[in-house]
Amino acid sequence: SQQGEEDPQALSIQEGENATMNCSYKTSINNLQWYRQNSGRGLVHLILIRSNEREKHSGRLRVTLDTSKKSSSLLITASRAADTASYFCATDAGTGNQFYFGTGTSLTVIP
Amino acid sequence: DAGVTQSPTHLIKTRGQHVTLRCSPISGHKSVSWYQQVLGQGPQFIFQYYEKEERGRGNFPDRFSARQFPNYSSELNVNALLLGDSALYLCASSLEPGQETQYFGPGTRLLVL
Repeated sequence: SQQGEEDPQALSIQEGENATMNCSYKTSINNLQWYRQNSGRGLVHLILIRSNEREKHSGRLRVTLDTSKKSSSLLITASRAADTASYFCATDAGTGNQFYFGTGTSLTVIP
Repeated sequence: DAGVTQSPTHLIKTRGQHVTLRCSPISGHKSVSWYQQVLGQGPQFIFQYYEKEERGRGNFPDRFSARQFPNYSSELNVNALLLGDSALYLCASSLEPGQETQYFGPGTRLLVL
């Protein structure tokens, strides 16, 4: 079964708006990662946040992590049409070498 | 530098057949993981290999097997194919098992008829 669960399942916004997607997971983790996938092809690593970190930034991306609630959020600011993709969170469930993905959020950015 | 490569890109098989998928990791990466992604779902972990040894296995039947070669490339084998094996099979490489970031290949799309 999936370790993580993203919310919402689908999100449609206008270009320039911010997009927020959330991830909840079930077990303790060493780290949590966010990936992007275009059109059912390979996944692109976006950002990693460790269990002892609360917030991390990378360009237009901001990730938060709340280990007490077992949840994370990904914020994409000033969205662009090229951000249209599916976004997945993945955790290692404490294994360090096995990664468990959520069900994904499908983001559509309308030009 | 070349990224993770996978072959073939697409494959059509019939039920009961066998399939072999191939993956070449990024140069210098010694760990390879395999994932199955069914349409509309997130990737599910199948195997991880490091230095030719299995380091992790997900909840998949024994019909699924894999191996890693001395050059760190890997093969995923699936026997007695079922319709439900139709999926995108993704390979990811990392320097070593404990490294957090995995780099994914473009995947092999398998259709079982």
